[in-house]
Amino acid sequence: EAGVAQSPRYKIIEKRQSVAFWCNPISGHATLYWYQQILGQGPKLLIQFQNNGVVDDSQLPKDRFSAERLKGVDSTLKIQPAKLEDSAVYLCASSLPGVRTEAFFGQGTRLTVV
Amino acid sequence: DQQVKQNSPSLSVQEGRISILNCDYTNSMFDYFLWYKKYPAEGPTFLISISSIKDKNEDGRFTVFLNKSAKHLSLHIVPSQPGDSAVYFCAAFFTSGTYKYIFGTGTRLKVLA
Repeated sequence: EAGVAQSPRYKIIEKRQSVAFWCNPISGHATLYWYQQILGQGPKLLIQFQNNGVVDDSQLPKDRFSAERLKGVDSTLKIQPAKLEDSAVYLCASSLPGVRTEAFFGQGTRLTVV
Repeated sequence: DQQVKQNSPSLSVQEGRISILNCDYTNSMFDYFLWYKKYPAEGPTFLISISSIKDKNEDGRFTVFLNKSAKHLSLHIVPSQPGDSAVYFCAAFFTSGTYKYIFGTGTRLKVLA
């Protein structure tokens, strides 16, 4: 079974530039999550989709971050404009619908904003 | 407000001995808990979980204990192996309303050969 695919693996941009990350979840997983993991901290949920609808985006900085999940499969997360404090690993995860199911994570995208 | 806390940022254990990783939570609405392991440059991988209706779950060398009254869970690894060296995150899961995972800050385990 193919895992969660993310690209790119690494990205370096200057502040105020824009960047986009892509995620392809495990086939059949209706729930998709984007997490931000800053060095030394645990993953923090940015946005959660159920199919192509947003379930939770309470911690997404909506003035600069946006995410979409068209057709309930792939998802993109965009930052525009980037700030220095956005430097982090962005993790995508997916899970089967329903409760008490583990989330499967991709390898993440390490973003460095200089 | 950190709802899930791992107060030990790092832990070193001799190979063959027991590793005990701890996690505390503040919200009694959490009803499912998971442990993830993370190697450098990789995403977290699921290790073991426990429902709030249980106090123990075992899977091979890994056992998770849950003490609901203390809002505390722990992961025991016996015997510890060098390949267990990684960062371990506990996560708590809300199953009411918008269900989601809340992660702790992680504990870096180093198993010494």
